[in-house]
Amino acid sequence: DIVMTQSPDSLAVSLGERATINCKSSRSVFHNSYKQTFLGWYQQRPGQPPKLLIHGATSRASGVPDRFSGSGSGTDFTLTITSLQAEDVAVYYCHQYLDSPLTFGGGTKVEIK
Amino acid sequence: EVQLVESGGGLVQPGGSLRLSCAASGFNINNYWMSWVRQAPGKGLEWVAIIKQDGSEKKSVDSVKGRFTISRDNAKNSLYLQMDSLRVEDSAVYYCVRGSGWLQDLWGQGTLVTVSS
Repeated sequence: DIVMTQSPDSLAVSLGERATINCKSSRSVFHNSYKQTFLGWYQQRPGQPPKLLIHGATSRASGVPDRFSGSGSGTDFTLTITSLQAEDVAVYYCHQYLDSPLTFGGGTKVEIK
Repeated sequence: EVQLVESGGGLVQPGGSLRLSCAASGFNINNYWMSWVRQAPGKGLEWVAIIKQDGSEKKSVDSVKGRFTISRDNAKNSLYLQMDSLRVEDSAVYYCVRGSGWLQDLWGQGTLVTVSS
């Protein structure tokens, strides 16, 4: 199984400041045939289902504000929220969809400082 | 509106069974892989099972193999999860999720399953 490890478990950021979340996979999630990285990021606000933010490690899903960006390759990935807004308070999960079982990171809770 | 609506959750005793349903609207599920993902209260996300567009391929996490069965009825635009031999540790909100390939791109609101005596 591909194990996804996120850090930190939680972080508090001032409004308008940057939040950075890290995710490491236990092996590469690059698909050699498709030449794509099968890594996604989700936002889960309190009481809501997860919402897809990023796919292919770096591509924003439709309608996602450009303050959200994904980076990384191979086994190390980052989700960055520039200029944190109040509505960004949520738990964020990384997810690999390369191999079964599909797996998620443990989540990172983002709060306002 | 594109959406997924789950139903069938509830309280069941250990060893019991439940069948979850998911009704899709605004799109045809026959174009998509479909999954179930669960979330225990206060915990993270755990993928449960996935089924190919035509039902010819199914995969599931080891902890539910032999107990849970994923199925679909494309004519009814619906996804199902038959859960047998339920355990306390199966208690969770179960989400129906559309897959773009295996990327989980659209989630329902979830249905709560509680396994308790």
